[in-house]
Amino acid sequence: EPEVTQTPSHQVTQMGQEVILRCVPISNHLYFYWYRQILGQKVEFLVSFYNNEISEKSEIFDDQFSVERPDGSNFTLKIRSTKLEDSAMYFCASSDRLMNEKLFFGSGTQLSVL
Amino acid sequence: RKEVEQDPGPFNVPEGATVAFNCTYSNSASQSFFWYRQDCRKEPKLLMSVYSSGNEDGRFTAQLNRASQYISLLIRDSKLSDSATYLCVVNMGRDDKIIFGKGTRLHILP
Repeated sequence: EPEVTQTPSHQVTQMGQEVILRCVPISNHLYFYWYRQILGQKVEFLVSFYNNEISEKSEIFDDQFSVERPDGSNFTLKIRSTKLEDSAMYFCASSDRLMNEKLFFGSGTQLSVL
Repeated sequence: RKEVEQDPGPFNVPEGATVAFNCTYSNSASQSFFWYRQDCRKEPKLLMSVYSSGNEDGRFTAQLNRASQYISLLIRDSKLSDSATYLCVVNMGRDDKIIFGKGTRLHILP
């Protein structure tokens, strides 16, 4: 079965540093998402992306966050100046159609901000 | 009212028993509904979509009640491998915002 791939699996960074989390969605998918999950808490929606632009974002997704699809395969999440509370598992997901059906998730990047 | 609300559990259920979870959602315009399963420190995986007419997949049955704005999941003849967190997922009907509930933890006891 096709997979969503995320790298790195673990990222440790100092507070205030910039991090870029990388995702390779499934090749024929057009809709891309970032979610995060703080340990022991719910999976939280961050942002959705379609047709090279953000289609929806949550209150969490403030000016410190940005997403990009720099080429035909990668989908990245950048956090400009990390805070301690950004420590979480970040999941990328993709799907092949809007308003329906399966989100395919990557295995996540565990971000630890020290 | 929270956008998607679930009883966090845990539900401790003996193997072979039947267990049911409910989930309520706040937005009456919500279009699509799903149950996902998440194992500890793993990514969520789709268990099943939930259709208005209800749907069944083996031991799993999902129902949607639009009037009361809830969905349910029934697991029959539970197996040890069913132990996981079950996530209620709702497409809120606003552009493309798919929201997860906090999840219900299920422990199947031998």
